[in-house]
Amino acid sequence: AQKITQTQPGMFVQEKEAVTLDCTYDTSDPSYGLFWYKQPSSGEMIFLIYQGSYDQQNATEGRYSLNFQKARKSANLVISASQLGDSAMYFCAMRVNNAGNMLTFGGGTRLMVKP
Amino acid sequence: GAVVSQHPSRVICKSGTSVKIECRSLDFQATTMFWYRQFPKKSLMLMATSNEGSKATYEQGVEKDKFLINHASLTLSTLTVTSAHPEDSSFYICSARDPRQLVEKLFFGSGTQLSVL
Repeated sequence: AQKITQTQPGMFVQEKEAVTLDCTYDTSDPSYGLFWYKQPSSGEMIFLIYQGSYDQQNATEGRYSLNFQKARKSANLVISASQLGDSAMYFCAMRVNNAGNMLTFGGGTRLMVKP
Repeated sequence: GAVVSQHPSRVICKSGTSVKIECRSLDFQATTMFWYRQFPKKSLMLMATSNEGSKATYEQGVEKDKFLINHASLTLSTLTVTSAHPEDSSFYICSARDPRQLVEKLFFGSGTQLSVL
């Protein structure tokens, strides 16, 4: 079975500073994908970044980067230069390749950016 | 980018009635769609996988007769909550994968907030 753990229920960050949201995962399958989604108060789920288990380099998408440490089974999201609009729930998710396209989600982290 | 449209965004209904939620992939064909349920301040829990032209696959603990899923076309999946009960009040959100994308990311609808009185 797959499991995703986000240990930070809530985080504060000062505007313009960087913040790291933690995510650890557990799977015995060697082929998997890791995702981060942002959910603002409106409820929609916004894709942020993806990391494949065989990718050699850490994924980056604009201000988002994924600190992928395979041996530790962690996939932390780093948001640089935080903006007020970054305040939202953030979910880490995993898809195991031999389990279809379904995503297993972590419990989420609420990020609050302070002006 | 790919767009998934979900309707309605909010619905209030009386106990015992049925509510239908639609999920459409607007610019791509989705043979598979996923239905999630989210309780307040909680994570998303997969309810079922909707398969075009065949029966949906339900997760353990999800009542098939209560949460009817129909995936009649490559762009539309519907979730019908039958004989709604206040315990069914929740946020329901659908998702689909755009097969044209190299990265197998899921695109989500905007969700439906269901309130059963």
